[in-house]
Amino acid sequence: DTGVSQNPRHKITKRGQNVTFRCDPISEHNRLYWYRQTLGQGPEFLTYFQNEAQLEKSRLLSDRFSAERPKGSFSTLEIQRTEQGDSAMYLCASTPDGGNTGELFFGEGSRLTVL
Amino acid sequence: GNSVTQMEGPVTLSEEAFLTINCTYTATGYPSLFWYVQYPGEGLQLLLKATKADDKGSNKGFEATYRKETTSFHLEKGSVQVSDSAVYFCALRGGTSYGKLTFGQGTILTVHP
Repeated sequence: DTGVSQNPRHKITKRGQNVTFRCDPISEHNRLYWYRQTLGQGPEFLTYFQNEAQLEKSRLLSDRFSAERPKGSFSTLEIQRTEQGDSAMYLCASTPDGGNTGELFFGEGSRLTVL
Repeated sequence: GNSVTQMEGPVTLSEEAFLTINCTYTATGYPSLFWYVQYPGEGLQLLLKATKADDKGSNKGFEATYRKETTSFHLEKGSVQVSDSAVYFCALRGGTSYGKLTFGQGTILTVHP
């Protein structure tokens, strides 16, 4: 399967714990995005990487959230000191650099449940 | 800032019925417009798109026309099937947004036999 891969698919944690999600984009896709989706809402933009550079962060991304893409390939999203309000689906998407089609290729998401 | 508004509430139809899901947007400049679909247990996938005013996007029997005068991009299908049951998201991409998309809240479509 050569699509966007996200792990783990589901994470249940207790409030205050740290969690990390991983995203493996489609090979050679330079642009990588993280979104958050809560029940009944559309995906909300969190952050964007072009290769290894994090070029944009949403105000939704509090200082408890950090994202990296160290070698310009896979990316991680870490949430420290989780809160119940962090419960959501975290989506990763990628697209080729310079592509003008606008199509983002999404993974199936990582669902976080904070107890 | 950019925003997308979709019709509220789930839509329930019988097979072969006509479908319309309304979408309006607010954006500066000339955005590109998209419909994404999320089937149960699957990731979001592009359904169709339009990049300039009066363009019509189409795919799998679905159509949407980019109407700049009414800032709308309504999704239509003449005859829905049970397999069309999914969540549909309208989205836009602004001109200077690193390609990121702004999504509407989504519309759940359920089609009964």
